[in-house]
Amino acid sequence: KAGVTQTPRYLIKTRGQQVTLSCSPISGHRSVSWYQQTPGQGLQFLFEYFSETQRNKGNFPGRFSGRQFSNSRSEMNVSTLELGDSALYLCASSLYRGVETQYFGPGTRLLVL
Amino acid sequence: AQKITQTQPGMFVQEKEAVTLDCTYDTSDQSYGLFWYKQPSSGEMIFLIYQGSYDEQNATEGRYSLNFQKARKSANLVISASQLGDSAMYFCAMREGAGGGSNYKLTFGKGTLLTVNP
Repeated sequence: KAGVTQTPRYLIKTRGQQVTLSCSPISGHRSVSWYQQTPGQGLQFLFEYFSETQRNKGNFPGRFSGRQFSNSRSEMNVSTLELGDSALYLCASSLYRGVETQYFGPGTRLLVL
Repeated sequence: AQKITQTQPGMFVQEKEAVTLDCTYDTSDQSYGLFWYKQPSSGEMIFLIYQGSYDEQNATEGRYSLNFQKARKSANLVISASQLGDSAMYFCAMREGAGGGSNYKLTFGKGTLLTVNP
């Protein structure tokens, strides 16, 4: 079974631009979570989607948004990029919203210049 | 207060030896889950092992075992017979609350960088 896939793997943007990252969960998985990883703040939870609905949100500004499609694929969007948004963005999927383990994708490395 | 504390920023171990990576956690929930992930330099987070708060036995997965001491709120990862490929960053994480609730997210520690020497 294929793992979690994320596209693109690398991205360079400039301040003020917006970016959309994509995540395809493991087949059959319905919950998708997003995390941001930076050297300073470590791994931080962004949001979680299940059945096309945002179920949980971390402490990030409204510039960060996401959505989930009927096939469980998810996208996250960051508008008006700031230098501090440079990070590794990780997507994780799990079967349901329970005790199931979250399996992570390879991440998207975003560099904001 | 930090919910997950990993006090060892870096650890060194000789190949074929065992190593313990420390993790302590803080929660008032009765139901929670503890996870260990490995992150090589490529960036992908690889799931290693899971321990539920109600599990009475320590979890094991191949060369990985989790030393769960509930009263001390610790969940140390033990890697037996270290291999060169084990060199990576290791993260301890916790999911609080019963599954399905609004707390379905992982809180991570700062990580421990493990280096396996030949």
